Amino acid sequence: GENVEQHPSTLSVQEGDSAVIKCTYSDSASNYFPWYKQELGKRPQLIIDIRSNVGEKKDQRIAVTLNKTAKHFSLHITETQPEDSAVYFCASFGNQFYFGTGTSLTVIP
Amino acid sequence: GAVVSQHPSRVICKSGTSVKIECRSLDFQATTMFWYRQFPKKSLMLMATSNEGSKATYEQGVEKDKFLINHASLTLSTLTVTSAHPEDSSFYICSAPHSVYREKLFFGSGTQLSVL
Repeated sequence: GENVEQHPSTLSVQEGDSAVIKCTYSDSASNYFPWYKQELGKRPQLIIDIRSNVGEKKDQRIAVTLNKTAKHFSLHITETQPEDSAVYFCASFGNQFYFGTGTSLTVIP
Repeated sequence: GAVVSQHPSRVICKSGTSVKIECRSLDFQATTMFWYRQFPKKSLMLMATSNEGSKATYEQGVEKDKFLINHASLTLSTLTVTSAHPEDSSFYICSAPHSVYREKLFFGSGTQLSVL
């Protein structure tokens, strides 16, 4: 079955710096890759997604890149702010969802 | 817009009791509902997939007699934690895919279960 690996599991950055979270997948049938942000005790929120026919997508301070050949996709957050502190997890979807293991991001003021 | 409503948001119970968690799809029909367990600062662990009108599909290692799932209608799925023990304490969350755009997931708000 599909295996989605996510790194790092924890990440601390200074406010204003960039944060990068990486995921790899194994199923060639996966064609949709969302990223979710989850604050403590709340529901996950979709923050950005990318489809397999696109290499990069950007939305203000957030960007996602996809290397379909290498089966890698990454989340980039620039100019981080304390409110970016949360758990982030990636997912892949082909016929069903598979979630990454999560990254706890802390932005230090 | 489409929303998944989950109740209760928090429950504290005594060891040995059963707890029921409900997830309702609002403004759309959810033929499928996913149930997850989540530990602090970790990602979602899929426990089971419920399908309206049929038996739920459980992931390996999840006790079906412990975690009873019922999906009796197109808008309601329930998870009952039977004979709860302290090790069952966790954050439980449901999600339902859009009926047409299956890659779009709508999440419930989660239930924090604490078993004393």
